[in-house]
Amino acid sequence: GNSVTQMEGPVTLSEEAFLTINCTYTATGYPSLFWYVQYPGEGLQLLLKATKADDKGSNKGFEATYRKETTSFHLEKGSVQVSDSAVYFCALSTNAGKSTFGDGTTLTVKP
Amino acid sequence: GAGVSQTPSNKVTEKGKYVELRCDPISGHTALYWYRQSLGQGPEFLIYFQGTGAADDSGLPNDRFFAVRPEGSVSTLKIQRTERGDSAMYLCASSSVAGGSTDTQYFGPGTRLTVL
Repeated sequence: GNSVTQMEGPVTLSEEAFLTINCTYTATGYPSLFWYVQYPGEGLQLLLKATKADDKGSNKGFEATYRKETTSFHLEKGSVQVSDSAVYFCALSTNAGKSTFGDGTTLTVKP
Repeated sequence: GAGVSQTPSNKVTEKGKYVELRCDPISGHTALYWYRQSLGQGPEFLIYFQGTGAADDSGLPNDRFFAVRPEGSVSTLKIQRTERGDSAMYLCASSSVAGGSTDTQYFGPGTRLTVL
């Protein structure tokens, strides 16, 4: 079956530090890959996505590249802000849009 | 409405009782999904509707769980004879296209179910 493994947290960084959250996946077929973010007290929202190999998704300074050869979709940001503190979920979707999620990584950014 | 809405936001019930959780998707979205999220874990797929029919219910844990979407819009997740292990956040999502793998799913705020 499909599965997503992401870096365990929590992750604590100082403002302006570089962020990487690792995500690897196992899937049958050709999945689309997603990063979702959940800010404190809010619902899940899409951060970025990539639908085929070598695609790069980007949004709000975050980036992730779909690497089929390593089955990975690592999330990066060059300079984090306090407002980026949230829980980040990596996910994949195969046919019919059924999504499989990782367990989430909690990021805390300190001023 | 502007986004996916779910009611109630919180539901506390006693073991053995029946509960209904409602999801109102974004207007015009044909695909609707239910997920369950336990504390410290990611959402787990329960069921997917395309229009009025359940296209995939492979994630429903047992026959105590059932969902309907009679008019292709609002959906209700029904849980019979609730157990303490059913306590979780129940999330609903909708998407505008025919449930393809590239579609963006828009999530509601969830219903937190607590079974005492």
